[in-house]
Amino acid sequence: DGGITQSPKYLFRKEGQNVTLSCEQNLNHDAMYWYRQDPGQGLRLIYYSQIVNDFQKGDIAEGYSVSREKKESFPLTVTSAQKNPTAFYLCASSRGYSSYEQYFGPGTRLTVT
Amino acid sequence: AQSVTQPDIHITVSEGASLELRCNYSYGATPYLFWYVQSPGQGLQLLLKYFSGDTLVQGIKGFEAEFKRSQSSFNLRKPSVHWSDAAEYFCAVGAIALTGGGNKLTFGTGTQLKVEL
Repeated sequence: DGGITQSPKYLFRKEGQNVTLSCEQNLNHDAMYWYRQDPGQGLRLIYYSQIVNDFQKGDIAEGYSVSREKKESFPLTVTSAQKNPTAFYLCASSRGYSSYEQYFGPGTRLTVT
Repeated sequence: AQSVTQPDIHITVSEGASLELRCNYSYGATPYLFWYVQSPGQGLQLLLKYFSGDTLVQGIKGFEAEFKRSQSSFNLRKPSVHWSDAAEYFCAVGAIALTGGGNKLTFGTGTQLKVEL
């Protein structure tokens, strides 16, 4: 079955530590996205990548970093510079930058204390 | 810039009753519109989409939505709600708005649906 996997489902970290969230897709999609979801705020775009070895900042990129070395993988690092990192993080993909339809992974809930 | 408003934060309906979730959008051109559903602690699943053509679109799980350009709305409906429909619903509008010409989805803040048995 094709789809998007995110691991782990739950992640706990101490303040001041960097943490990397995994996102893998086997849909052969070119474009991938990272969103942050907070209660009552909908989804906000952190970073996106339209092709391998290229990525762009979204609306709330400060304190986050990404890489896109393989088509299938788009890991997100939450750095210690992110002031309020506790949130639900969703990864998505689409066929290409011209495609509007995005498919979502199951999400990772990050708690930083 | 595009925006989406979902005016109802919470809605409660009885099982078997009809449902309408409201969505209003702001976008200067013809919009691409979506409804997604999210169960607790899960990702988003696409219910239906509107790109062009017939303004009444059918989706999965018995849902439908109607695009009304004059009202800038894309309301989601279901004739008879099942207890398993309890979830959070997000409306989204797509636009060419990313660096490099890519498409951006802008989401509303969601409507939480509770179904009473």
